[in-house]
Amino acid sequence: DTGVSQDPRHKITKRGQNVTFRCDPISEHNRLYWYRQTLGQGPEFLTYFQNEAQLEKSRLLSDRFSAERPKGSFSTLEIQRTEQGDSAMYLCASSSRTHTDTQYFGPGTRLTVL
Amino acid sequence: QKEVEQNSGPLSVPEGAIASLNCTYSDRGSQSFFWYRQYSGKSPELIMFIYSNGDKEDGRFTAQLNKASQYVSLLIRDSQPSDSATYLCAVNPPTGGGNKLTFGTGTQLKVEL
Repeated sequence: DTGVSQDPRHKITKRGQNVTFRCDPISEHNRLYWYRQTLGQGPEFLTYFQNEAQLEKSRLLSDRFSAERPKGSFSTLEIQRTEQGDSAMYLCASSSRTHTDTQYFGPGTRLTVL
Repeated sequence: QKEVEQNSGPLSVPEGAIASLNCTYSDRGSQSFFWYRQYSGKSPELIMFIYSNGDKEDGRFTAQLNKASQYVSLLIRDSQPSDSATYLCAVNPPTGGGNKLTFGTGTQLKVEL
């Protein structure tokens, strides 16, 4: 199995711009998760998909954030009107049908908002 | 009270020693527990998971769970410099619907030559 992949690995943007990140889960993993991690903290849950359905969203996920998984395979996370406080590592994880809570992380996308 | 608490460290141990990392959690109904290793600038890597009270061993790693005390630990035997990293404890609480992990802030481990 190839692991979880994320693109881009790094993104630098100016405040107010929109950014979009992509995550490809481990093949045949039906669950996909997005987390955000800032320096010195553990990852914080943002949202979760089972197949194409978005089943849970954290209150951390403001209206500027939107996530999709249209065909139940890859997922995108979009941040509109970025703010400096959005600077963080955005992590994607996936888990299988049989071990739903065992999550494997991708390499992450590091976002810097200037 | 934080949902998952870890001592931030750093915890320094000499090469070849046993490193003991500890974690407490607040939700008594939690059922599954995970340890991730995270090197600086990298993403978390799953190294152990445990569901039942007692010990679970995998190579140099042993996870220990005590649900009555709401306590999880990770022992690393024969510590190597390559074990130097931040170790994240994660819990799958029932309040999360079984669909998200709640992480501690991590313990930084330094293995010294």
